[in-house]
Amino acid sequence: EPEVTQTPSHQVTQMGQEVILRCVPISNHLYFYWYRQILGQKVEFLVSFYNNEISEKSEIFDDQFSVERPDGSNFTLKIRSTKLEDSAMYFCASSGPGGGDNEQFFGPGTRLTVL
Amino acid sequence: DQQVKQNSPSLSVQEGRISILNCDYTNSMFDYFLWYKKYPAEGPTFLISISSIKDKNEDGRFTVFLNKSAKHLSLHIVPSQPGDSAVYFCAAPTPGGSGNTGKLIFGQGTTLQVKP
Repeated sequence: EPEVTQTPSHQVTQMGQEVILRCVPISNHLYFYWYRQILGQKVEFLVSFYNNEISEKSEIFDDQFSVERPDGSNFTLKIRSTKLEDSAMYFCASSGPGGGDNEQFFGPGTRLTVL
Repeated sequence: DQQVKQNSPSLSVQEGRISILNCDYTNSMFDYFLWYKKYPAEGPTFLISISSIKDKNEDGRFTVFLNKSAKHLSLHIVPSQPGDSAVYFCAAPTPGGSGNTGKLIFGQGTTLQVKP
């Protein structure tokens, strides 16, 4: 069964460093998303991406964040200068042609620890 | 953002019995709801969804009920199995100008423990 994959599973970085989290969405999906879950809190939407551009972003997704689909398979989230409060699980998701009216399939997540 | 709420942080049931997980929402424009299950160190796994044109959707042991007037939905698991022990999230996509956006609003989650 097709699945969303994410690498790395765990990333440890120093405050102020740049990190890139990688995702391979399900191959025939068109809509891509990033979410995060800070320990003990809700899963929060960060950004959605369709047709090679951001379609929506939350207030969390400030200038320190960017997303890219550098080729036909990968979808990346870059945090330019990490802060302690960026420590969280980051989940990539993708969905089929219906976009917001379709279920989203999530990857296993990347645990980001900022020291 | 409290548009989707799961007021019970945990639930414990005996194997073979029914598990009922509840979810309330405040935005009357929500018209599609999803339930996800999450094991530790894994991403959320889609379980079942329901459109607001229905009041019930069933898939095997899982049934979701929607009460639009009360802005309430529930997930029933019958019979419950130890492997169902996980965190369950309800979620809804935010409405947009032309259909729903992909921005899912999640509840806080309910941890279900099914005892053998």
